[in-house]
Amino acid sequence: KAGVTQTPRYLIKTRGQQVTLSCSPISGHRSVSWYQQTPGQGLQFLFEYFSETQRNKGNFPGRFSGRQFSNSRSEMNVSTLELGDSALYLCASQGQGSTGELFFGEGSRLTVL
Amino acid sequence: KQEVTQIPAALSVPEGENLVLNCSFTDSAIYNLQWFRQDPGKGLTSLLLIQSSQREQTSGRLNASLDKSSGRSTLYIAASQPGDSATYLCAAVSGSEKLVFGKGMKLTVNP
Repeated sequence: KAGVTQTPRYLIKTRGQQVTLSCSPISGHRSVSWYQQTPGQGLQFLFEYFSETQRNKGNFPGRFSGRQFSNSRSEMNVSTLELGDSALYLCASQGQGSTGELFFGEGSRLTVL
Repeated sequence: KQEVTQIPAALSVPEGENLVLNCSFTDSAIYNLQWFRQDPGKGLTSLLLIQSSQREQTSGRLNASLDKSSGRSTLYIAASQPGDSATYLCAAVSGSEKLVFGKGMKLTVNP
């Protein structure tokens, strides 16, 4: 059974650009959530999607957005990149409602220059 | 607002010791609490999930307990090995159904 797949694994962008990250959840899982991890702030919740609908959203500016497709794959987009957006972006897949176990991908390491 | 704390931030021990990792949370109305392990530059690996109705969960050398009334969870690692070296994070799901993480505890097990 394949795990959670995130692409790309590494990317470098410059300030002002935009970026799109992709996450394919475990087969059969309908919930996908996104997290930002930085050394200073730790892991912070960005948003969660379930059956193509955003179910929860963290305290991030509107530059951060996401969506989920009918096959449960999800994308997140960050527009007008800032230096502070450099982070490891992690995606998690959840199968059993909202209280089930979360399974994480390897993450996408974004560096903004 | 749920806050999750892990103290200490780092721990270095000799191989073979039995370890207790602590996690405290401010809102006792949690749905569940999950322990993860993270190796450098990697994603999170789920270790144990404790539902709010449970008191503990066990997997191999790992045992996690949950005490909602005191707002605490502990992860017990028996007979630690160098391969256990990693950052351990706990996370709680509560009323808003968002997962709130602690900052993690970096464990180093020395051979």
